[in-house]
Amino acid sequence: GQQLNQSPQSMFIQEGEDVSMNCTSSSIFNTWLWYKQDPGEGPVLLIALYKAGELTSNGRLTAQFGITRKDSFLNISASIPSDVGIYFCAGLNSGGSNYKLTFGKGTLLTVNP
Amino acid sequence: EPEVTQTPSHQVTQMGQEVILRCVPISNHLYFYWYRQILGQKVEFLVSFYNNEISEKSEIFDDQFSVERPDGSNFTLKIRSTKLEDSAMYFCASSEAPSSHEKLFFGSGTQLSVL
Repeated sequence: GQQLNQSPQSMFIQEGEDVSMNCTSSSIFNTWLWYKQDPGEGPVLLIALYKAGELTSNGRLTAQFGITRKDSFLNISASIPSDVGIYFCAGLNSGGSNYKLTFGKGTLLTVNP
Repeated sequence: EPEVTQTPSHQVTQMGQEVILRCVPISNHLYFYWYRQILGQKVEFLVSFYNNEISEKSEIFDDQFSVERPDGSNFTLKIRSTKLEDSAMYFCASSEAPSSHEKLFFGSGTQLSVL
């Protein structure tokens, strides 16, 4: 099946620093999604990217859909303690009647106040 | 804000026992999903369900698994004879339509522990 390689696996940063994480795939996705998971909760969608080359922002978050459709990155600027959590990328090939996401293994972000 | 509700939040069971995980999707949603996450690993797709039938399932979703929408509000995942490796967090999700990418909502999950 399709695999997503997400890096880094974990990050320890100081409050106020910027963060960057990325995902690569050996196959093409039509849509890239970035989720955040807090402890004991389900994933919550942060940003959705629909078009190759697209750059989208959501507050302090910025994500880009790679031009080859095989990669995406997520940046968080001026991190704050509540940014702590696991960030997952997910790829989707729409078409048909299904919403089958392929997730990366996640990046665990720790922010030191 | 509407949400997907899952019960129980934690389930402990003995190997070989049957378990039923319950979900109440968002009321106007038509597409339902189960995903699972083994501790420390990625979230994995199990099954999608629409119009009272399975529309797609993964290799993980073998004959021990089944899903059902017994009434107008609940969506259940049954594991007939649990194995140790079934221990995981199981997430239910729902969406209005398959193309509503930004409207896929996940529940908080049921942590299943098989002893």
